[in-house]
Amino acid sequence: KNQVEQSPQSLIILEGKNCTLQCNYTVSPFSNLRWYKQDTGRGPVSLTIMTFSENTKSNGRYTATLDADTKQSSLHITASQLSDSASYICVVKGQGGYNKLIFGAGTRLAVHP
Amino acid sequence: DAGVIQSPRHEVTEMGQEVTLRCKPISGHNSLFWYRQTMMRGLELLIYFNNNVPIDDSGMPEDRFSAKMPNASFSTLKIQPSEPRDSAVYFCASSYVGLRDSNQPQHFGDGTRLSIL
Repeated sequence: KNQVEQSPQSLIILEGKNCTLQCNYTVSPFSNLRWYKQDTGRGPVSLTIMTFSENTKSNGRYTATLDADTKQSSLHITASQLSDSASYICVVKGQGGYNKLIFGAGTRLAVHP
Repeated sequence: DAGVIQSPRHEVTEMGQEVTLRCKPISGHNSLFWYRQTMMRGLELLIYFNNNVPIDDSGMPEDRFSAKMPNASFSTLKIQPSEPRDSAVYFCASSYVGLRDSNQPQHFGDGTRLSIL
């Protein structure tokens, strides 16, 4: 069964600190992996999209890594800010068919001053 | 640029009433998705349209749910009759899906928070 699992479920860090969120998936065959940020009361917003051939991609203070062999991805946040407080959702798309995505349950991050 | 626009943002209604949620996708996008998000189940795909045609409605919970896309700039999700277990946040998303490009992000609206009493 195609699944996407994220850890930790929730995380609290102090402003200015770094953190890393994990994503493991069993989707096969694999097309791409996405990280979305969802602020409270808002829709998810795309941070990065990585294909099979990419193993790192950055978007400002956000850096995503992908190991397609071990089916693992991570999202690293550098120098966290209060505005980083949100849920981070890992999403995987398989090959073929249309743009159907498989969503992880998300990691809820709280950045405290 | 305007993103995906959903209305209403909040809806509170009594069990048994008809509920209609509306979505205006981003201009130029050829794919539209309706999702439901709950604490227990996270984000679930309900239905997917491509070029205004429903392609996959396997996520629609039951016959009480229906969705239409009469043109490229408008879609509705209807629940009739509504039940308390339908309470959730409903998101609409759009993207461009090309024959050789499946790596475009889905752009989400800010959702409709639905409460059925």
